[in-house]
Amino acid sequence: NAGVMQNPRHLVRRRGQEARLRCSPMKGHSHVYWYRQLPEEGLKFMVYLQKENIIDESGMPKERFSAEFPKEGPSILRIQQVVRGDSAAYFCASSPGALSGNTIYFGEGSWLTVV
Amino acid sequence: DAKTTQPNSMESNEEEPVHLPCNHSTISGTDYIHWYRQLPSQGPEYVIHGLTSNVNNRMASLAIAEDRKSSTLILHRATLRDAAVYYCILIANQGGKLIFGQGTELSVKP
Repeated sequence: NAGVMQNPRHLVRRRGQEARLRCSPMKGHSHVYWYRQLPEEGLKFMVYLQKENIIDESGMPKERFSAEFPKEGPSILRIQQVVRGDSAAYFCASSPGALSGNTIYFGEGSWLTVV
Repeated sequence: DAKTTQPNSMESNEEEPVHLPCNHSTISGTDYIHWYRQLPSQGPEYVIHGLTSNVNNRMASLAIAEDRKSSTLILHRATLRDAAVYYCILIANQGGKLIFGQGTELSVKP
């Protein structure tokens, strides 16, 4: 059973370009979470999605960032008009159902560098 | 979700047991206690979780105080590969997300 797959693992973008990060959850998992980790900082929650629905986006910056989890295909985290401050590791996680007694599994991350 | 308190850092010697404490005095009756760890340059990794009873798995043991206001993650024989930041997180029943604190940075000396 493959784990949470993220791609690309490393992405370099110039300021003003768009970054698209993809996440394929584990098989059978319908809950996806995105986290961001800035250099030398902790993990910050961004957004929680179920298929076709955003459940909690309280950690998403108000502008330039969006996320989706369509009925078919991976979850996408999209960053428009990237700035240097967006350089970070972005981690996706999935779970089979709501948390509490369920385990959440993380991918290896996508490292975004904005030059 | 209720707050947890962990020491910023701990040191251990290789092949010795390690006890990582976590205080959660405001835990509610339905909060689960989860532990995750993050090795350098990797995604967080599930370690163990429990509700009331002590739990064991191949990675670690989780000892939960009788009043549930604290818990301890036990690594029975630390290896160099166990050097990581360990996070103790409470999840409300049907809770929506994991909220990471600062965690405990564990270093393991050969």
